Amino acid sequence: SQQGEEDPQALSIQEGENATMNCSYKTSINNLQWYRQNSGRGLVHLILIRSNEREKHSGRLRVTLDTSKKSSSLLITASRAADTASYFCATDAWEGAQKLVFGQGTRLTINP
Amino acid sequence: DTGVSQNPRHKITKRGQNVTFRCDPISEHNRLYWYRQTLGQGPEFLTYFQNEAQLEKSRLLSDRFSAERPKGSFSTLEIQRTEQGDSAMYLCASSFTPVTGDSNQPQHFGDGTRLSIL
Repeated sequence: SQQGEEDPQALSIQEGENATMNCSYKTSINNLQWYRQNSGRGLVHLILIRSNEREKHSGRLRVTLDTSKKSSSLLITASRAADTASYFCATDAWEGAQKLVFGQGTRLTINP
Repeated sequence: DTGVSQNPRHKITKRGQNVTFRCDPISEHNRLYWYRQTLGQGPEFLTYFQNEAQLEKSRLLSDRFSAERPKGSFSTLEIQRTEQGDSAMYLCASSFTPVTGDSNQPQHFGDGTRLSIL
């Protein structure tokens, strides 16, 4: 079963604009991770944020985590055509199952 | 840097046939995971190994599915008597998770094997 829900399901913006994707989840977590997937390819790890962290940056990526609301957001600044992909959040449950539970993803399209 | 390698990339077979996929993880990674992804959905966990031990199996893994990691290196996933509903992308991932210390580790995915059942 899917743990999280991404919002929006699809997002189309112009190159250079910022893209924000949101993720909500249901259970307590150990960490939350964001992945990117290009069509027909595997997932690429972007960023991991621990349950005791509130914000994390990596290059043009900014991730926030609000455990009280069980939600996270991924911000991509100054988007590029190469950012076109599906983005997934995944939670690693505190129970230590060491398995990732993914949402349905946000399909991001960057228009040149 | 060699990443996670999966073979074959595509498999087309008739319903009722058996298929086997292989995954070669990043060397020195002690954990190996299998996921299944259908079109428009996120990956769903199937099973994972710590070295050669299979530690957890999802309810999705029916008795037609079996996974092995005999020497703690590569892994195989076999589906017997394939059904139409088995059509999906099968993804393998690996990670290095220390026995003690920080268990918050990213997983590294291969490009998957796309299975199509005719």
